[in-house]
Parts: sequence; C-alpha cells; structure tokens
Amino acid sequence: DTGVSQNPRHKITKRGQNVTFRCDPISEHNRLYWYRQTLGQGPEFLTYFQNEAQLEKSRLLSDRFSAERPKGSFSTLEIQRTEQGDSAMYLCASSGLRQATNEKLFFGSGTQLSVL
Amino acid sequence: SQQGEEDPQALSIQEGENATMNCSYKTSINNLQWYRQNSGRGLVHLILIRSNEREKHSGRLRVTLDTSKKSSSLLITASRAADTASYFCATVGEAGGTSYGKLTFGQGTILTVHP
Repeated sequence: DTGVSQNPRHKITKRGQNVTFRCDPISEHNRLYWYRQTLGQGPEFLTYFQNEAQLEKSRLLSDRFSAERPKGSFSTLEIQRTEQGDSAMYLCASSGLRQATNEKLFFGSGTQLSVL
Repeated sequence: SQQGEEDPQALSIQEGENATMNCSYKTSINNLQWYRQNSGRGLVHLILIRSNEREKHSGRLRVTLDTSKKSSSLLITASRAADTASYFCATVGEAGGTSYGKLTFGQGTILTVHP
C-alpha cells in the first residue's frame, strides 16, 4: 500500500496526558499537511511542511501542539496536556511536486483522539 | 472558520437518481475541489475546477463553478449505493502557490443512496 499511513487509528487518553501521532506520506511527496476534523464538520487546516520545513501554522494550533518532520519524511504531531476539546479526528495529507499531484491532497485514514 | 457552506446538509435518494450538492464560499479563489469521505475514513479527492473554468466532468461527476456568485455545484448522475458518503467542497485562496494544500473546507453534505 503506497498511500498515506497514520498511526495509531484510535487513541484514548486521559485529560492532561501527552499524545503523539505519526504520519507517513506517499514517498515521493514533498508536502505534508495536518488537519483536524470534529464531528459533523469539515477538516480544518493546522499546519504544513515542505520537506522538513514547517512553513505555516494555523492560529488553531495552540502552544500545546507541536509538529515535526525530521529529514522530510514522516511527521509527528504531539499534543501536550490534552484537554477534552482536543477530541477530534486528526488527518494527515500529502501532495507531490508533479503537476498531476501538486494541487490535490491525498489523505490518510486519520487518528481518532478521545480525551476522557 | 469554514469558508464554504454546503447545501443541503443531508440528502437521501434512491439508487439511479441524480444527486446535486451546492457549495458557497466567501473569498476569491484559485481553485475549488470536491472530496468524498466515507464514515470514519480519510478524504478522497474527486475533482478540481479552476477559477477560470465554468464546468468540468469526470465520469459520473459534473462540477460547475460560478465565481460571480461564489458558488459551485456537484452533480452525481445515476447514483449507486456505494456513493453513500459525505461530500465536501474545499477552496484554495487566490494566491495559490505555496497555499495549494491549505484548503478551506465546507461543512459537507451527507449523501445516502438507498438500494
């Protein structure tokens, strides 16, 4: 399977705990995005990387959130001191350089986070 | 905040019928895209229409774009039970470029196709 892979698929945690999610993009894609989706809503942009550089962060991304993409390959999204309001589906997407793939996003299946 | 507003929020039809979903947006765009999401899964890109295009087709999909009204519609012809999913429109800001992947999604239309 050469699609975008996210782990874990589900995460249940207690309020105040730290959690980390991983995303492996399509191998030839240089751009990687994180989105958050709550029930009944469309996804909301959080941040994006071009290779290893984090180029933009949404104001939604509080200082409890940090994302990295070491070596421009996989990415991690960490949430520190989780709150119940962080409960959501966290989606990762990637896009490529070629004209056929640079404008549309390829999404992973997401990590569903539940904060108790 | 969500840029796109979709209408209807939910649509229930019989297999073989056509399904039309509408999307409105607020600011100037570079392009508008439609995505599909099956329950609990990631999104799948369906079709992209640029700001200088008015209509585009892909298989059973037809998308229209009216930039003067800041609206788009997605038509699925001859629907199938497998088309049951949520459908989202998403816009890319006028600047495009490095913002290509920074999509602003609508709230989506839940489509149910009954066999």
